[in-house]
Amino acid sequence: QLQLQESGPGLVKPSETLSLTCTVSGGSISSSSYYWGWIRQPPGKGLEWIGSIFYSGSTYYNPSLKSRVTISVDTSKNQFSLKLSSVTAADTAVYYCARQTIYYNWLDPWGQGTLVTVSS
Amino acid sequence: QSVLTQPPSVSAAPGQRVTISCSGSTSNIGNNYVSWYQQLPGTAPKLLIYENDKRPSGIPDRFSGSKSGTSATLGITGLQTGDEADYYCGTWDSSLSAVVFGGGTKLTVL
Repeated sequence: QLQLQESGPGLVKPSETLSLTCTVSGGSISSSSYYWGWIRQPPGKGLEWIGSIFYSGSTYYNPSLKSRVTISVDTSKNQFSLKLSSVTAADTAVYYCARQTIYYNWLDPWGQGTLVTVSS
Repeated sequence: QSVLTQPPSVSAAPGQRVTISCSGSTSNIGNNYVSWYQQLPGTAPKLLIYENDKRPSGIPDRFSGSKSGTSATLGITGLQTGDEADYYCGTWDSSLSAVVFGGGTKLTVL
C-alpha cells in the first residue's frame, strides 16, 4: 500500500532554512488524481496545512506562510520537498507529509511525521 | 485562531454516543467537502471520514459524518476507551485557496 516517509534535519538554527523531503513508496507521485501536501503541528497544538504540489509542479500555499515556503517535486525519485525560510522558534513542530485528493481535498495516507526544533 | 470552529473537548461514558461539531462558512464547509481525522496520542492523524459522510475501509460504522449548510458533525456510537483521541475536521477554503482545519476536539471516554 502507499506509504510516505519524511526525512531531514531535526534541528535548525533561527533565521536559517528548514528543508524536508517526503519519499513516496508503493505508488507513483505522478498521478493525475492527487496533490502531495505538507502539514505541521506545533507541540500541544492543532494541525496547520502548509501547502501542496501536483506532479507537474503546480502549487498551493497557506497564505500565512506563502512568503517563506517553497514546495518542489522530483518525479524521478518519487519525492517532494519542503523549504521554509527564516525560521523562528514558532516554526518548531512535527511536520507531516500526506497525499491530498484533487477537488475533495481529503488527506490520506499520512507519513509518521518528523519533529523539527528551531533553536540555536 | 482556526478557520473552522470545534469544541475543545467532549466526554462521555463507554458505550454511549458523542457528537463533535465543526462550524465554518460558505467559503469553506458551505461549498466544499468535509473530512475528519483521528489522532491517537503520539501518532500521525488518520483519515476517519471523507467527502462528508464516507468511511475508508477498515473504519467501523460506529463512526459517521454529516454536513448541513456551513456545519459538519462527527458522530461516534458505542464509545470505547480506545476512541480517546484528538479529532480534527478539515476542508478546502475557496477564498484562501487552502486546506483549513478545525482547532481539534479532545475526546475523553470516562
